[in-house]
Amino acid sequence: QKEVEQDPGPLSVPEGAIVSLNCTYSNSAFQYFMWYRQYSRKGPELLMYTYSSGNKEDGRFTAQVDKSSKYISLFIRDSQPSDSATYLCAMSEQGAQKLVFGQGTRLTINP
Amino acid sequence: EAGVTQSPTHLIKTRGQQATLRCSPISGHTSVYWYQQALGLGLQFLLWYDEGEERNRGNFPPRFSGRQFPNYSSELNVNALELEDSALYLCAGGMNREFAEQYFGPGTRLTVT
Repeated sequence: QKEVEQDPGPLSVPEGAIVSLNCTYSNSAFQYFMWYRQYSRKGPELLMYTYSSGNKEDGRFTAQVDKSSKYISLFIRDSQPSDSATYLCAMSEQGAQKLVFGQGTRLTINP
Repeated sequence: EAGVTQSPTHLIKTRGQQATLRCSPISGHTSVYWYQQALGLGLQFLLWYDEGEERNRGNFPPRFSGRQFPNYSSELNVNALELEDSALYLCAGGMNREFAEQYFGPGTRLTVT
């Protein structure tokens, strides 16, 4: 079993829809939770990160962490075609200094 | 401000050869992290360098090695290349105390034939 599971998709939604992306994990020691966006032929770009449980909002993006369920989510409101990319979740233990990534979900926003 | 840079963009080698990949983090970042992104496997952590020292390595054989220079740039060396080493190699820069915030370069696409 992988430490971090992420549905690879692909996920296709119409412009303006609310998008929900999710990851589950098995390692209860994970304390840092990140979401990256990767456009084709580019390196991943850090979108948001959260320490421990709770919600974090940044513009159209909201990250949620539920440590009791070992489940994290990224919500994108008012989705735009420019949001079309692969979204990667990543996690880390306190002091581990390395990120464990999910496989990534390929998202397409249709105009 | 310049972002993380990596060179070369593409590299084609034959099995058994050695590959050298280079990375320069953003100014002010002292840590460099290397990841392998192979098709179907996602990003796998390779190595972490901070202040010139190797601090952690992932589950990769010793033929994957590297170093960090005094200007914090880094080099990844892969010896005795195997076909399954074909992948996108990404480096990320960051600060040791803020390791959750890692800033990635565009990657080097290594193809082993």
